[in-house]
Amino acid sequence: EVRLVESGGGLVQPGGSLRLSCAASGFTFSDPYMDWVRQAPGKGLEWIGRTRNKANSYATDYAASVKGRFTISRDDSKNSLYLQMNSLKIEDTAVYYCAKDWNGSPEYWGQGTLVTVSS
Amino acid sequence: DIQMTQSPSSLSASVGDRVTITCRASQGITNDLGWYQQKPGKAPKRLIYAASSLQSGVPSRFSGSGSGTEFTLTISSLQPEDFATYYCLQHSSYPGTFGPGTKVDIK
Repeated sequence: EVRLVESGGGLVQPGGSLRLSCAASGFTFSDPYMDWVRQAPGKGLEWIGRTRNKANSYATDYAASVKGRFTISRDDSKNSLYLQMNSLKIEDTAVYYCAKDWNGSPEYWGQGTLVTVSS
Repeated sequence: DIQMTQSPSSLSASVGDRVTITCRASQGITNDLGWYQQKPGKAPKRLIYAASSLQSGVPSRFSGSGSGTEFTLTISSLQPEDFATYYCLQHSSYPGTFGPGTKVDIK
């Protein structure tokens, strides 16, 4: 059974940093691309970034809203995905989901972790 | 970026009804489209990928169709557990973009 568990969310001040983690199990973590998607309270879904696999040089893509501030990485030896978030803004407040990608889009999702940016 | 629109934004339906949701892309995306179901407080669940392929484990009452710029999600006979919000997602070009969602509630 595929399982994805996010952690690391919490309250942070504007301009601060936070690192989210996603622990994966139930599949060969090194194979698929992995995604981060977020959802602001009461709003829709926003696909914020993706990391490819080793065969594709772990290349990453980011949405314009987070490019230059957020960094996605993965550690295949630890079956873990990370999202380093810097220069956080109030509008980054959201539930952050990690997802296993298959056939070009998020297939299985974690339960999400809430990030609140507030002073 | 490719913009996605969905219609209707919400609908009320009864158990057993046939429900159709439409998603339109601002430019052609071939069949690079998925459909997701989200219930309150839960993570989204993928129902359809590649516009018309049913995700493993998803009931056959769900179906998807379309290509290019217009796509539909059909629920052939609405069940109580289907009341939720539905999103389309294009992944033809990065960043992928979700539609704004369609909320399906009980009539």
